Amino acid sequence: NAGVMQNPRHLVRRRGQEARLRCSPMKGHSHVYWYRQLPEEGLKFMVYLQKENIIDESGMPKERFSAEFPKEGPSILRIQQVVRGDSAAYFCASSASLNTEAFFGQGTRLTVV
Amino acid sequence: RKEVEQDPGPFNVPEGATVAFNCTYSNSASQSFFWYRQDCRKEPKLLMSVYSSGNEDGRFTAQLNRASQYISLLIRDSKLSDSATYLCVVSTVSGGGADGLTFGKGTHLIIQP
Repeated sequence: NAGVMQNPRHLVRRRGQEARLRCSPMKGHSHVYWYRQLPEEGLKFMVYLQKENIIDESGMPKERFSAEFPKEGPSILRIQQVVRGDSAAYFCASSASLNTEAFFGQGTRLTVV
Repeated sequence: RKEVEQDPGPFNVPEGATVAFNCTYSNSASQSFFWYRQDCRKEPKLLMSVYSSGNEDGRFTAQLNRASQYISLLIRDSKLSDSATYLCVVSTVSGGGADGLTFGKGTHLIIQP
């Protein structure tokens, strides 16, 4: 039973390019969370999705960031026109339902040069 | 998003000692509670769920106080390998939608030989 899979593990982008981060939840999980973590800082909530629906995106920057969780396929976190401040570790977590424990992927480390 | 607050530490504790952390949450409608552990530059991993009656797993004991809105984690006979950041997590479903999981910023524990 594979865990939460994130890819790529490391991503390097030049300023102005687009970054696409993928998250495949654990089998049977329909709830996905995305978090960002800057060096030496805590996890910062970005967005919470269920299949085909964004439930809470209060942590997402208003511009350049978007997320989706289609009926088929992984959840995608998309960052357009990346800037150096977007460099961080992006973690995805999935859970089977509300109020149950969530399991994390190994994260994608984005570096903007 | 509702707040989950933790003392960031660091807690410097000699090996073999007992250490306890508290975490307070602001939303009285919160329903599920968890402790996670995060090692440097890695993904958070579930340590234990916190039940109303309290629960114990080996050297770790978690307790919930709904009236005062805090949860605690006690580590007995601490080991060097317990050095990590401990994250308090609260799950809430509000009337207007799902809040999902909210993470505290973590308490940094350093076990010293």
